[in-house]
Amino acid sequence: QVQLVQSGAEVKKPGASVKVSCKASGYTFTSYYMHWVRQAPGQGLEWVGIINPSGGSTAYAPKFQGRVTMTRDTSTSTVYMELSSLRSEDSAVYYCARDPVDIVATVSSSGSYYFDYWGQGTLVTVSS
Amino acid sequence: DIQMTQSPSSLSASVGDRVTITCRASQSIGSYLNWYQQKPGKAPKLLISAASRLQSGVPSRFSGSGSGTDFTLTISSLQPEDFAAYYCQQSYSAPPTFGQGTKLDLK
Repeated sequence: QVQLVQSGAEVKKPGASVKVSCKASGYTFTSYYMHWVRQAPGQGLEWVGIINPSGGSTAYAPKFQGRVTMTRDTSTSTVYMELSSLRSEDSAVYYCARDPVDIVATVSSSGSYYFDYWGQGTLVTVSS
Repeated sequence: DIQMTQSPSSLSASVGDRVTITCRASQSIGSYLNWYQQKPGKAPKLLISAASRLQSGVPSRFSGSGSGTDFTLTISSLQPEDFAAYYCQQSYSAPPTFGQGTKLDLK
């Protein structure tokens, strides 16, 4: 069964960076894009960006461009999201979420931009 | 970016009620509309994709309809486990965007 297991909660000071991991299992890691979505306390859902686990290409929401970096390690089926220059407004639960399109089977050059499986979430708290 | 607007923002209902949640897009998105359920402290769960495609394992009391700019999620007979927050999301163009959510609670 598909599982996405994220790293634990983090507390960071303003201006610092945080790196969150998401380990995938139960499917072919390189066949499905992975997204990151965040949710501030009591708020709605906000898309952060997407990574192709096969080639490593990425696309980020304009709001995070320049501050976010997504990477992957195919040997461990893990994707990472690093967010720098943290501010209090970045305090949120960060989710990894799989794109449902099989890149290989559909010969797709992009994801479908919705989310069929989600990690359990990682709470990032930014506080001085 | 495409703006998604849900209504109502909150809704009180009873077990057995039929409820409808509406989602409107700021431009036409065809059928590229998805619905998620989120319970407190949990990740969202995909219920419906492509406006009306029920995901495997999702009870048939959930249904979705609409195209273009106006969409609805209907729960035909509320069950105790359905009290949660619901979000619509467009996948027509990047960046994908979500509605602000509808919180469904017990009357």
